[in-house]
Order: sequence, then C-alpha cells, then structure tokens
Amino acid sequence: NAGVTQTPKFRVLKTGQSMTLLCAQDMNHEYMYWYRQDPGMGLRLIHYSVGEGTTAKGEVPDGYNVSRLKKQNFLLGLESAAPSQTSVYFCASIKGGSQYEQYFGPGTRLTVT
Amino acid sequence: SQQGEEDPQALSIQEGENATMNCSYKTSINNLQWYRQNSGRGLVHLILIRSNEREKHSGRLRVTLDTSKKSSSLLITASRAADTASYFCATASYSGGGADGLTFGKGTHLIIQP
Repeated sequence: NAGVTQTPKFRVLKTGQSMTLLCAQDMNHEYMYWYRQDPGMGLRLIHYSVGEGTTAKGEVPDGYNVSRLKKQNFLLGLESAAPSQTSVYFCASIKGGSQYEQYFGPGTRLTVT
Repeated sequence: SQQGEEDPQALSIQEGENATMNCSYKTSINNLQWYRQNSGRGLVHLILIRSNEREKHSGRLRVTLDTSKKSSSLLITASRAADTASYFCATASYSGGGADGLTFGKGTHLIIQP
C-alpha cells in the first residue's frame, strides 16, 4: 500500500493564479482532511470530508475549496492564490471516528509570490 | 485556534538521556495523540491515549494524561540521534462525532546530541 500520497510535492504560484492539490489514499478510509502548517506552528485544519460527496469547513477555510468525488481522492483548490497561502499543506485520512490515528501524506510545499 | 500548547518549545539533550515534553489543552477531549515530524516530512503517529486512560506505554515512549489539569506528557527514554524531530500533541474532541479533525499544538523541537 502506498498509504497517503500528495501531488505535487512543490509548487510556486504567482498571486491570483489557481491550482489544485490532489490527495489520494488506498486504505479505504472514510474520513479525509486538509491541513496547513506555517513556520513554527502546528497544523491547522482547512477542510475535511467524512465520506464521498461530503465536505465541511475546518478552522481556516477561507480562500480554499475542496471536493471528494471519489472515496480515495480529496482535492484542495485555490481559486486565486495569495501570499498568505504560502505554506506546507498536508493531507490526512482516518479509518473513521476520532479513536483512530490519522495517516498523513508527505506534504506539498506551496509558495505564492 | 491552537488547542494544545507544548512545553518546552525546544529541547536539546545528550544521547542516552530521557526527554520529557508536556502538552496543555483547553477543552474537553475524546483522546489525545502524539505525532512526530522529521524535518520536511509528514507526521507520523506515535501513540493515542483516551480520556479515560491515565498512562500508556509503547516501546521507549510513555504518555500520561491528566484530564483534571488538561495536560499530557510524553517521555522518551534512552534517547537516540534518530529521535531528533518535532513532536506534536493533538486533541480530538467529542463534537462532530469525532470527524472534525485534530487540533494541534505548536510542537516541541527535540535535538539529540551525539
């Protein structure tokens, strides 16, 4: 099993450009999450999904959209990138329920100039 | 907002010594988890302790939880150079049926000196 994979690994955007980050998991997990991590900070939740076709907002959802059309994929979109969105983005998945550990992807480092 | 706050922010010890990190949180929790992050990598789950548990062990790791003080500690015994990493505590709340993700602290950066 590959676990949780993220593409791309690195990306540089200009202000106002758009992009989509892809997260894929092969563990048949129900719940998936997108977090961002800024220097010296822990992770903050952007959006999450508890199943195919469902999404919900986390702590810092502004400027991002998500979709979960297939159970194994969770997409994070930036419609009009801003320098404040420069960060490392992590995707995670969980079997279901808070009593389980989260499995994290390797991260996508995004720079917005 | 950050739920957990780790203390200290940074810790440097000699190889073979024990390392202790503390975490405080603000609201009621379902469980508390500790994760490790090596530089430039994703997070790796270390241990989960439920709100009705007081202590848990896994190899060289020992975690305690005091819900009355809303605090937890992570002890790494007989530290090794490979333990150099950032360590994060994360809490899972009861709300949302446990689906609404984890709330992370800012982490403790641990350096093991050879």
